[in-house]
Parts: sequence; structure tokens; C-alpha cells
Amino acid sequence: GAGVSQSPSNKVTEKGKDVELRCDPISGHTALYWYRQRLGQGLEFLIYFQGNSAPDKSGLPSDRFSAERTGESVSTLTIQRTQQEDSAVYLCASSFYPRETQYFGPGTRLLVL
Amino acid sequence: AQSVTQPDIHITVSEGASLELRCNYSYGATPYLFWYVQSPGQGLQLLLKYFSGDTLVQGIKGFEAEFKRSQSSFNLRKPSVHWSDAAEYFCAVGAGNQGGKLIFGQGTELSVKP
Repeated sequence: GAGVSQSPSNKVTEKGKDVELRCDPISGHTALYWYRQRLGQGLEFLIYFQGNSAPDKSGLPSDRFSAERTGESVSTLTIQRTQQEDSAVYLCASSFYPRETQYFGPGTRLLVL
Repeated sequence: AQSVTQPDIHITVSEGASLELRCNYSYGATPYLFWYVQSPGQGLQLLLKYFSGDTLVQGIKGFEAEFKRSQSSFNLRKPSVHWSDAAEYFCAVGAGNQGGKLIFGQGTELSVKP
């Protein structure tokens, strides 16, 4: 595709439910990143994938958060037992290689009631 | 630890006036620095980046930024602001030795007066 795509664009869920967010990176990009943006704040790094290397999970806020990536394609971010503080926009980005320009998707707006 | 500080949460300038958005970073090695813009309902768009070389970097939409190592700064400038520049601006540092994850500042919201 032309750019990074994310789905769903919006997600409303009840506290305690699990949610899955999807990211399709730009074709050929080896690096994929997930960030979280709370209302009125900057972006927080969550997790990074590079090829077949072990992902950098240093930004995941709790063990309720996990992510997977299949090869150099689609990634899913899973939040288990959602809490109200998980409400945020979740942004995915990809780049050809680490340290190259990251291209961001439109984000998934998550609201936990 | 790496960090980015954008001291101004909100700035208002008149259309046609000059603009400078401040960014200070904390990073032990040579930083990779970025400015992104986020318009309402839009995704993040890269304005410009500094990896190495010339410390004055030109970007899109008439923006430029200057890397000053001695001041740990990477301020964004534009000589004449247009109403369409109203948006949220984010400075970020690339943690290069950690695979390229970005550390973002809190953002500066720019309003433009007619």
C-alpha cells in the first residue's frame, strides 16, 4: 500500500475486555514501531520489531500489553483486561531500517468505558 | 535516560510573522533529531530530520531547524507563518543505539492569528 494502515480506526470497549489493534506497514519496511498518545500528550514508545530479531519491549507499560509481528508484515498489538487508563490513540510506524525516517499510520483511537 | 523537552505548550503568532519552536534534548551519544507535525484528524508528518553533517536542516513547507550541540537544542523556525501551519508540533530524538525508537517531546500547539 501507499502508506501505513491501521485498523480499526476507532474502538470502544468495556473495562476488562481484551482488544486487538492491527498495523499494516509500508511494503519493504523492515522496522515497525508502536507508540501510544494520551490526550494532550506526546507519543510514548511501546515496542519495536526489526526483522527476525527479538523485539524491543522496553516501553510496554504492563504485562497486559503484548504484540506480534509476522515476518516483515502485519503486526497486532493486544491489550488484555483493558483499563480506563489504556484509553489513548495507538500509533504504528514503519521504516526501511532502524534510524531511518518513520512513517506513521493514522492511529487507532481506543476508548475504555 | 534520553528525554526531549519542548518548553512551550502553546504558542500564538500572527499570520506572516516569524516562528521559532524550542526543543531541548538529553542524549549521551550523537542524536538523530526529528520534527513532526500533527494536524487535527491527520497523522504525523515528518517536517525535517538531522542525522549528521550540516547543522542547519531544511524541511518541507518552508521550515528549517538548527542543531546546536553545545546547547543540546534543535529549534524549529519559519520566517513567515501561514494560517495552515496551525497544528501540533513534536520534536523527537532517535535512540540510535537502541534500534531507532523515538523519544518525543510533549508537543507545542501552534495557533495562527489572522
